[in-house]
Amino acid sequence: NAGVTQTPKFQVLKTGQSMTLQCAQDMNHNSMYWYRQDPGMGLRLIYYSASEGTTDKGEVPNGYNVSRLNKREFSLRLESAAPSQTSVYFCASSEYEEPQHFGDGTRLSIL
Amino acid sequence: RKEVEQDPGPFNVPEGATVAFNCTYSNSASQSFFWYRQDCRKEPKLLMSVYSSGNEDGRFTAQLNRASQYISLLIRDSKLSDSATYLCVVNYNFNKFYFGSGTKLNVKP
Repeated sequence: NAGVTQTPKFQVLKTGQSMTLQCAQDMNHNSMYWYRQDPGMGLRLIYYSASEGTTDKGEVPNGYNVSRLNKREFSLRLESAAPSQTSVYFCASSEYEEPQHFGDGTRLSIL
Repeated sequence: RKEVEQDPGPFNVPEGATVAFNCTYSNSASQSFFWYRQDCRKEPKLLMSVYSSGNEDGRFTAQLNRASQYISLLIRDSKLSDSATYLCVVNYNFNKFYFGSGTKLNVKP
């Protein structure tokens, strides 16, 4: 049971570079989410997708874009990475009000 | 005001102790409630859902008080392996989840 799979697990970027974080779930969930978590801090919602074909901004969307490619996949793109985006990124999925399931995270450092 | 508030702790307790955490939420329309556990730099993992009637899973008991808008988690007979951060999560409108900042628990030998 893979659940929620995130790639890559680790990445180091230089300021100004772009990259896409990938997330896929195999639980047939309608809703998917991207969070970031800075050291010693709580989770902050970046974007979410309530269902295939829809995306909405969360608490901290600036500097990010998302694509809900299909029901399984939800990607997060950093167009021009900044040091302030150094963080751990978690993807999650859920079905209606059932609990969210998380991937094991992408640890991103921007130099 | 934050949607979900928790005491950040840390709660430092000896092995075998009983410890309780509370969490308050602001939206009275909230539909479902959960406790997650997060180990350092790892992903949050569901510990238990919280039901109106209260529920128990081994050493863990969760309760919901809708009138006062809080949920609680009780851990009995604490183990070293219970050391973690416990996140309170509240859901409303189906796909909106609000996370507390977490309560850190340290269980000492």
